[in-house]
Amino acid sequence: KQEVTQIPAALSVPEGENLVLNCSFTDSAIYNLQWFRQDPGKGLTSLLLIQSSQREQTSGRLNASLDKSSGRSTLYIAASQPGDSATYLCAVWGNNNDMRFGAGTRLTVKP
Amino acid sequence: DAGVIQSPRHEVTEMGQEVTLRCKPISGHDYLFWYRQTMMRGLELLIYFNNNVPIDDSGMPEDRFSAKMPNASFSTLKIQPSEPRDSAVYFCASSLYPPLKVLNTEAFFGQGTRLTVV
Repeated sequence: KQEVTQIPAALSVPEGENLVLNCSFTDSAIYNLQWFRQDPGKGLTSLLLIQSSQREQTSGRLNASLDKSSGRSTLYIAASQPGDSATYLCAVWGNNNDMRFGAGTRLTVKP
Repeated sequence: DAGVIQSPRHEVTEMGQEVTLRCKPISGHDYLFWYRQTMMRGLELLIYFNNNVPIDDSGMPEDRFSAKMPNASFSTLKIQPSEPRDSAVYFCASSLYPPLKVLNTEAFFGQGTRLTVV
């Protein structure tokens, strides 16, 4: 069964810093990797989707990379803002067409 | 589209009672997931459906849990009898296709049902 790990579990940074969140997965036979954001008490909002054949995707201040062979993905957030404070989750679409999640990174951006 | 709709948003029930959670996927989406989220275990995949057919229910924790998708626009997750350890947030998600069919398929989540069993 695919295992997805996210490091760090929690991160606190001052406003304006650039930061990197990490995601690793044990089975490299994946279709896609999707990054989500979850605000407290809310559902999940999709941020970026990277297909297995792609190396990176960008949306505004967010950039996600994928190294499928090594089982790693990173989410880079540029010029962080207090509104970025949330839990960030990565999800891996496996060859069984299932989607499995890491435990998330809880990000706090201090004004 | 209104997105994935789950009901109820909150449910408080007594141990031993039957609980039914409901999900309406985005119209036209063929793929539906049920997840459970807790602080200790994060998001766990319980079961997923393709074209109303369960594909993998190996994540369902016990026989007390069952899920159905009688048509393309409705799914239920039932717990009978419920226990305090079932307390969690239950999420439903849908996608247009599985990635086997369309590689850049994306999943969309409902707002979740917060279940408390006392």
